[in-house]
Amino acid sequence: KAGVTQTPRYLIKTRGQQVTLSCSPISGHRSVSWYQQTPGQGLQFLFEYFSETQRNKGNFPGRFSGRQFSNSRSEMNVSTLELGDSALYLCASRDGGTVIKNIQYFGAGTRLSVL
Amino acid sequence: GQQLNQSPQSMFIQEGEDVSMNCTSSSIFNTWLWYKQEPGEGPVLLIALYKAGELTSNGRLTAQFGITRKDSFLNISASIPSDVGIYFCAGQPDSGGSNYKLTFGKGTLLTVNP
Repeated sequence: KAGVTQTPRYLIKTRGQQVTLSCSPISGHRSVSWYQQTPGQGLQFLFEYFSETQRNKGNFPGRFSGRQFSNSRSEMNVSTLELGDSALYLCASRDGGTVIKNIQYFGAGTRLSVL
Repeated sequence: GQQLNQSPQSMFIQEGEDVSMNCTSSSIFNTWLWYKQEPGEGPVLLIALYKAGELTSNGRLTAQFGITRKDSFLNISASIPSDVGIYFCAGQPDSGGSNYKLTFGKGTLLTVNP
């Protein structure tokens, strides 16, 4: 089974621009979660999508948004980029149902640099 | 919100030594997870713990779910150079249902000197 795939791996943008990141989950997984990782704050939960609906949300401003498609692939969008948005953005997928011991698996991440 | 305190922040050890790291929480978790992250990669799950008091091993790694459900530790025995990386603990308030929101520790950076 292929793992979680994130594209692109690296991205450089300037302040004020917007960016879209993509995540393809493990085949059969219906839930996709997004995390932001920075040296100062560590791994912070952004949101989770399940069956094309946002199911959980972290404490990030509205500039951070996402969506999920019918094939479970997900995109994350950040508008009006700020310098502080520079981070590794990680996507994780899991089955997502009420299955006990439902573990999520991470992709390699997209490294976003905002100049 | 929930906070996870992971310690130590970093460790520099000699090959062959044993390593211990732990996480404590201000809240109760029903699941504790330990991940390892290597440069340029996402976190990889090492061990999952689901029951207070549970002790689980994965090769040279052993982790325990604290009785109070507010802490967990990870031990690595006889460390080798490929153990280098950042180790994260993560806690989850339920067992995998719809309220799935992992809280992560800040990580322990492990360096192994050959």
